[in-house]
Amino acid sequence: GENVEQHPSTLSVQEGDSAVIKCTYSDSASNYFPWYKQELGKGPQLIIDIRSNVGEKKDQRIAVTLNKTAKHFSLHITETQPEDSAVYFCAASKADNNDMRFGAGTRLTVKP
Amino acid sequence: EAGVAQSPRYKIIEKRQSVAFWCNPISGHATLYWYQQILGQGPKLLIQFQNNGVVDDSQLPKDRFSAERLKGVDSTLKIQPAKLEDSAVYLCASSLIWEHGELFFGEGSRLTVL
Repeated sequence: GENVEQHPSTLSVQEGDSAVIKCTYSDSASNYFPWYKQELGKGPQLIIDIRSNVGEKKDQRIAVTLNKTAKHFSLHITETQPEDSAVYFCAASKADNNDMRFGAGTRLTVKP
Repeated sequence: EAGVAQSPRYKIIEKRQSVAFWCNPISGHATLYWYQQILGQGPKLLIQFQNNGVVDDSQLPKDRFSAERLKGVDSTLKIQPAKLEDSAVYLCASSLIWEHGELFFGEGSRLTVL
């Protein structure tokens, strides 16, 4: 089955700096790659997603890039703010099932 | 619009006891999921329903876990008997469409097994 690896496990940046989180996946049939943000005591919330027919997608300060050949995708957050502090999860799934496999998560801390 | 509701938020039980969690998805969402999130890990799918039918329960430990979705709306997840390794947050999620639909998660039910 699909295996998703995520790095780094923790990331600390200064407010205003950029943050990058990287994920790799194993199943070349995977074609949907969402990113979820989880705040303390809450359930994960979708922040951005990308499908395999697109190489990059941007939404204000957040962008995701996908390299299908290398089977990796990345989340980029620019101009980080303290409220960006949370745990971020990448995930991957494919069209013939809805078994979304999540990475282990990255705890992002943005220092004011 | 109301989100996904889960209860109880917290439960502490001793091993070999039983526990049940309840989930009410967003109105109109046909697909419902139960995930297990162990501390420090990403969510792991346990079971997926489409309306009141099971789509995928391949990762559900069926010797102790069971789940049902009543009339295609609310769902319950039961663990009997519980083991220490079942300590986790149990997340319920729903989505409007089945394939690659955005998952809307509840706040979860935190289970501690002593």
